[in-house]
Amino acid sequence: QKEVEQNSGPLSVPEGAIASLNCTYSDRGSQSFFWYRQYSGKSPELIMFIYSNGDKEDGRFTAQLNKASQYVSLLIRDSQPSDSATYLCAVTQGGSEKLVFGKGTKLTVNP
Amino acid sequence: NAGVTQTPKFQVLKTGQSMTLQCAQDMNHNSMYWYRQDPGMGLRLIYYSASEGTTDKGEVPNGYNVSRLNKREFSLRLESAAPSQTSVYFCASTLTQNYGYTFGSGTRLTVV
Repeated sequence: QKEVEQNSGPLSVPEGAIASLNCTYSDRGSQSFFWYRQYSGKSPELIMFIYSNGDKEDGRFTAQLNKASQYVSLLIRDSQPSDSATYLCAVTQGGSEKLVFGKGTKLTVNP
Repeated sequence: NAGVTQTPKFQVLKTGQSMTLQCAQDMNHNSMYWYRQDPGMGLRLIYYSASEGTTDKGEVPNGYNVSRLNKREFSLRLESAAPSQTSVYFCASTLTQNYGYTFGSGTRLTVV
């Protein structure tokens, strides 16, 4: 079973700060990388995806991918209390559509 | 546009009882998945269906069966529920690997 590792946290940042979430994966054949946000008691929702090495920005969110280091990260700028949630990193298994999920990092943004 | 609909939202079963979790999507997605989520374990794949008429085992298939009834519907059956199957079950679907999954709202199952 291919693995996706995330720091479980909790990660606590003050409102307005940058939150940095990290993920490493073991399958060198992985081609697509996703970040999901999951509020307590709710289902995961897709917030970012990235396929190529480098950075991808969408509003306050930036995803970073380094395939050589097998590393994916998510930066949240100007963090808001509404960003408080668990963030799941997910990676495709080889060339398939199956996703392997990390266990998630719980983020708390303090007002 | 409802997305992915799961029923029921909550269920309590006694050990040994059977039940079927229903999932339907209206996005014309090809692939559908069943995951379970347990504290400290993350999301684990139970079964998936890459297309209508095909199903395959995931990481934790024991104790479960699935049916891909048509392109829209993918059901998960517990034949003889065990306390170890107490979990939150999520159905998901996707068009291709580049689009990520859309998840249903989940079924919270307790087996006593």
